[in-house]
Amino acid sequence: DGGITQSPKYLFRKEGQNVTLSCEQNLNHDAMYWYRQDPGQGLRLIYYSQIVNDFQKGDIAEGYSVSREKKESFPLTVTSAQKNPTAFYLCATHPLTENQPQHFGDGTRLSIL
Amino acid sequence: QQQVKQSPQSLIVQKGGISIINCAYENTAFDYFPWYQQFPGKGPALLIAIRPDVSEKKEGRFTISFNKSAKQFSLHIMDSQPGDSATYFCAAPQDDKIIFGKGTRLHILP
Repeated sequence: DGGITQSPKYLFRKEGQNVTLSCEQNLNHDAMYWYRQDPGQGLRLIYYSQIVNDFQKGDIAEGYSVSREKKESFPLTVTSAQKNPTAFYLCATHPLTENQPQHFGDGTRLSIL
Repeated sequence: QQQVKQSPQSLIVQKGGISIINCAYENTAFDYFPWYQQFPGKGPALLIAIRPDVSEKKEGRFTISFNKSAKQFSLHIMDSQPGDSATYFCAAPQDDKIIFGKGTRLHILP
C-alpha cells in the first residue's frame, strides 16, 4: 500500500539487542496497528493506537513496546525480552469509520543473527 | 475474544476451477466482513468485503456469500488462475480491532 511505509524491509537482530521497526503513513488515518505473522498462525495483534499519545496492548504484547508521538508514525521496538522475534511484522492503519478495511504496509522481516 | 475460524488451511485447484474458502464467526454483532489477499513478501490487501444485510456480493471472478443464520461466510473464486495463488484471510471487526482468520494458502495449478 503506497500510503504506508515500513522500514527496513529486512532486519537482523543480535542477542540482547533492541531493534526498532518504522511505520509511517500519509493516509491521515487515526488508528494504527502492529501485527506479527508466523507461518500457519495468521495475523496476531501486538499493539494498537487510536489516538496520539495513547496505545493499547494486543494479544501478544510481551517483549514489545510502541510509541505514538505523531499521528503519522507508530514505531515498534522489539526488545531483548522477546525471545523468539523471528517473524514478518506488519503495520496497518484504519480511518475509524464504519465499514472500512484496514490498510497494510509491505512488512518488515526480522531475523536473529 | 471472539474468533473467526477459517478453512481449509491450504487448497490446491486446477486452473479454471472454482476455489472455495470458508469462514465461521461467533458474534452476530459483526457488521462488515472483508477478505484480504496476500502475496509472498507483501502486506495483505483488501480483495472484497460484504455487509451482513446482503447475502452475496460479486466483483469480477470473486464472490462472497454470507449465511447469517449459520454464522458463516465464504469466498468463491471462479475460473481460478495461477495469478490467484496467494494466501487469503477472512476478517471481522470487533470493537476497535479486527479479528483475522488464520489464512488459506491457495495454489492454482497451471
